[in-house]
Amino acid sequence: DAGVIQSPRHEVTEMGQEVTLRCKPISGHDYLFWYRQTMMRGLELLIYFNNNVPIDDSGMPEDRFSAKMPNASFSTLKIQPSEPRDSAVYFCASTATSQETQYFGPGTRLLVL
Amino acid sequence: SQQGEEDPQALSIQEGENATMNCSYKTSINNLQWYRQNSGRGLVHLILIRSNEREKHSGRLRVTLDTSKKSSSLLITASRAADTASYFCATLRRGSGNTGKLIFGQGTTLQVKP
Repeated sequence: DAGVIQSPRHEVTEMGQEVTLRCKPISGHDYLFWYRQTMMRGLELLIYFNNNVPIDDSGMPEDRFSAKMPNASFSTLKIQPSEPRDSAVYFCASTATSQETQYFGPGTRLLVL
Repeated sequence: SQQGEEDPQALSIQEGENATMNCSYKTSINNLQWYRQNSGRGLVHLILIRSNEREKHSGRLRVTLDTSKKSSSLLITASRAADTASYFCATLRRGSGNTGKLIFGQGTTLQVKP
């Protein structure tokens, strides 16, 4: 079985540019999570969806961040405009309603210059 | 916003030795989970212990939970070089259903020297 797929794996961009991160959850999973990992703040949840509907977006830093899940097999996290402090590794994770553990993708390493 | 704290932050041992990592948390929990992260990779779930359990084993892993002290420990016995990774504890803040928001500790970086 394919795990959670994220693209791109690495992204280097300049301040002010729009960045779009993509995630494909494990087939059959109805929960999708976006996490961010930095040295300063560790791993923190940004937003999660259930059945494509955002449930908790309290971790989204500010209006520059937006996330969508147009269907059960695809989600995007967009940063517009990007800033150097957005540099981090962004993880997508998914799980099913019956499960308590989460399955993480390999992450997207973002560097904003 | 991190709930858990882990110690030590870094641990270096020789292959064959045991490694113990500790985690503390602040609020009541349904369960506590441990995850491993190899360098440059995503997190992988290792083991889950429920609030009504005190100890759980999985292969070379032993997890304990003390809800009165709001703490947990992960013991890796007979460590191997392949165990070199960062280890995170996480508590689950449930939404509707069995899952929800995972709140992670800062992690312990383990180095196992061959």
